[in-house]
Amino acid sequence: DVKVTQSSRYLVKRTGEKVFLECVQDMDHENMFWYRQDPGLGLRLIYFSYDVKMKEKGDIPEGYSVSREKKERFSLILESASTNQTSMYLCASSLVLGTGGETQYFGPGTRLLVL
Amino acid sequence: RKEVEQDPGPFNVPEGATVAFNCTYSNSASQSFFWYRQDCRKEPKLLMSVYSSGNEDGRFTAQLNRASQYISLLIRDSKLSDSATYLCVVKPANAGGTSYGKLTFGQGTILTVHP
Repeated sequence: DVKVTQSSRYLVKRTGEKVFLECVQDMDHENMFWYRQDPGLGLRLIYFSYDVKMKEKGDIPEGYSVSREKKERFSLILESASTNQTSMYLCASSLVLGTGGETQYFGPGTRLLVL
Repeated sequence: RKEVEQDPGPFNVPEGATVAFNCTYSNSASQSFFWYRQDCRKEPKLLMSVYSSGNEDGRFTAQLNRASQYISLLIRDSKLSDSATYLCVVKPANAGGTSYGKLTFGQGTILTVHP
């Protein structure tokens, strides 16, 4: 059974703080993704990674960075949190294309509130 | 125009009803299509893939119309447990070697099944 875990379910941070969101998957998936989900806007891709130390910008990368030092772990970093980054953050992973791996498996999400 | 558009609903139907959702996508070169389901305060999970020939999984039927660029999901004999948000998901055409695994999500259609 694929398992994707996220370090926190709920976080409250202050404006200007540096925030780290951690995601770990246990299925040896190559691809990992960070999304944010907001009412009326759906899921929007922030960054993704297709291999260790490789990263690609998604649709809304501004204000975020990522790190993938190990295959199983993908971190999302908010360098200086702002109130408009209050959101639900979802991590996902999938296998490499061509191995039937288009399914993305999601973690439970982190609700971040920036005050 | 959004890449993937869905009627957000909400759809409120009685148990036993048949309900259908539609979704349109803008890029005619899109490769693969899916429906994901997201329960309240939970992560999205794959419900079913969508094939050109149409496919069925129990009470759920998915259809793809490439000519009109729309995808549909039909739920027959609705159950209370079908209450959820249904996300239309499209795998975009591969714009380059680093697009593998990337998916585009619609904003979701909310379904509530009542007794």
